[in-house]
Amino acid sequence: DAGVIQSPRHEVTEMGQEVTLRCKPISGHDYLFWYRQTMMRGLELLIYFNNNVPIDDSGMPEDRFSAKMPNASFSTLKIQPSEPRDSAVYFCASSSTGGTQYFGPGTRLTVL
Amino acid sequence: GNSVTQMEGPVTLSEEAFLTINCTYTATGYPSLFWYVQYPGEGLQLLLKATKADDKGSNKGFEATYRKETTSFHLEKGSVQVSDSAVYFCALRGGSYIPTFGRGTSLIVHP
Repeated sequence: DAGVIQSPRHEVTEMGQEVTLRCKPISGHDYLFWYRQTMMRGLELLIYFNNNVPIDDSGMPEDRFSAKMPNASFSTLKIQPSEPRDSAVYFCASSSTGGTQYFGPGTRLTVL
Repeated sequence: GNSVTQMEGPVTLSEEAFLTINCTYTATGYPSLFWYVQYPGEGLQLLLKATKADDKGSNKGFEATYRKETTSFHLEKGSVQVSDSAVYFCALRGGSYIPTFGRGTSLIVHP
């Protein structure tokens, strides 16, 4: 298995632009997680899905952030409009129920 | 709610030194406990786990024992290598299946 796939690996954009991060979970996994990692705040859980349904989005910082999972093999995290304080590494992770969580390589986002 | 507390880093050691990274937790019930490792530029990957009290998880020379009486899961390695330089995360997972992570501890090993 290729593991969790994220794209792009690096994204540099200007303030106010829309940013879309993509994730393909491991086949057969029914949980998908989006995290944000910064030096100041560490690893933060933004949102997670179970069987493509968003279960808890209480970690989403504000309405500028949205996430979707249209099918079992694809999820997006969108930031619109982006701000410099959104600069971070965003990770996607997937797991089966009760199983080990597997992380993708991350997307390093820089908002200028 | 659940929480995980790790020692502040960075931890700086010479090659072949003994490593301990402390981790304590707060949780209801009987959570599973994990150590993840993050190498530079990569995502987190599972290093070891323990699912019940007194279990010892081990992998790549690292060990951690689930101590319910002290609510701890300290990570140890007898002889670290430069290639062990990374950030180490302690985590727990309770009945909700959603992990709670610590802040991470950076380990720097010098030749």
